[in-house]
Amino acid sequence: AQSVTQPDIHITVSEGASLELRCNYSYGATPYLFWYVQSPGQGLQLLLKYFSGDTLVQGIKGFEAEFKRSQSSFNLRKPSVHWSDAAEYFCAVGAGDDKIIFGKGTRLHILP
Amino acid sequence: EPEVTQTPSHQVTQMGQEVILRCVPISNHLYFYWYRQILGQKVEFLVSFYNNEISEKSEIFDDQFSVERPDGSNFTLKIRSTKLEDSAMYFCASSPRTSGGSYNEQFFGPGTRLTVL
Repeated sequence: AQSVTQPDIHITVSEGASLELRCNYSYGATPYLFWYVQSPGQGLQLLLKYFSGDTLVQGIKGFEAEFKRSQSSFNLRKPSVHWSDAAEYFCAVGAGDDKIIFGKGTRLHILP
Repeated sequence: EPEVTQTPSHQVTQMGQEVILRCVPISNHLYFYWYRQILGQKVEFLVSFYNNEISEKSEIFDDQFSVERPDGSNFTLKIRSTKLEDSAMYFCASSPRTSGGSYNEQFFGPGTRLTVL
């Protein structure tokens, strides 16, 4: 069965520090992978997506993610975080024709 | 830029009442979806809809739930008799993908927060 694992429930980093959020997926075929961000009380905003091609994907707000098939991973990175990046981040996989399966999310806290 | 819209943004209802959550998908999209997110939990797939019928539904989507595209623009989720555990954020999404075509991105609306008292 398809699944997404985000092993870190909470991550705290200092403003200006680098960030990596981990994501592992389980899916039998070529995955379609996404990272979404959700600010408190808000909807889901797509940060970036991987469908095929270059395994290093650039997204909005300075985020990037790297697809590693051998590790079944799609980790999200940012070289220098800003206080406005504090939010919940969801990794997701497009499963079959229809649904997106989300991970449980990682809440990012930023220290001033 | 076209976007998915949802109304209302917040709905409060009494247990046992019927609610209808409304969504206007992006106009040239063909696939429509509902997801829900219980507070503090992950986003869960409920149902997908194509060509005026359900194409897939999850085990959450029981007989209390129904979806409809009553006209050319709206896509609704009806909960027939709400329970306390239906309290959640409900997200609508739409996708331009055609059946059998390559995968396309789903575009999410801002959500409707449903509170069942």
